[in-house]
Amino acid sequence: ETGVTQSPTHLIKTRGQQVTLRCSSQSGHNTVSWYQQALGQGPQFIFQYYREEENGRGNFPPRFSGLQFPNYSSELNVNALELDDSALYLCASSSDRGPYNEQFFGPGTRLTVL
Amino acid sequence: AQKVTQAQTEISVVEKEDVTLDCVYETRDTTYYLFWYKQPPSGELVFLIRRNSFDEQNEISGRYSWNFQKSTSSFNFTITASQVVDSAVYFCALSEVTPGGSYIPTFGRGTSLIVHP
Repeated sequence: ETGVTQSPTHLIKTRGQQVTLRCSSQSGHNTVSWYQQALGQGPQFIFQYYREEENGRGNFPPRFSGLQFPNYSSELNVNALELDDSALYLCASSSDRGPYNEQFFGPGTRLTVL
Repeated sequence: AQKVTQAQTEISVVEKEDVTLDCVYETRDTTYYLFWYKQPPSGELVFLIRRNSFDEQNEISGRYSWNFQKSTSSFNFTITASQVVDSAVYFCALSEVTPGGSYIPTFGRGTSLIVHP
């Protein structure tokens, strides 16, 4: 059974650019959640995708958008990058959308915005 | 709005000591879920435990135990006989379920536990 994978591992962008981060969910999982974790902080929920539809969103502006594909992998897109977007972006998959389902996290993508 | 407070930023102990990590939460809902996660230096969060708001039974899993008290809105985590491998950042989290069936989890800022040999 393959765990949650994320790509790339590290990324450096400049302010104003756009970035796409990718996540492959664990086999059998139909739900993917994305989190932003700034240095020294707890993860902040960005949004969740369930069966290709957005199923809950945290307090993030519209320039943070996402997609989930038929194979349940997912992308996080961030437009017009700002310095404060520098963070570890974590993806988690689960077998269903409810909070009672254990989330399995990937290793994260470290994004640096210069 | 829901809120999770982990007042201890960093705890340093010597191996074999017991240590308790505190978590206090705020919510207006009667139905909610509480979690603890471990984040080792590698970065991946590892799920440790989930509790729903209707289950106040304490739980023990090996050297780990959890004390859930609704009266004080606390969900504390104790590691007995700590080991160097327990060194990590530990997060407490709270999830409320929305009427639409989705939920927005809120994490605390984490407690960094350092266990010295």
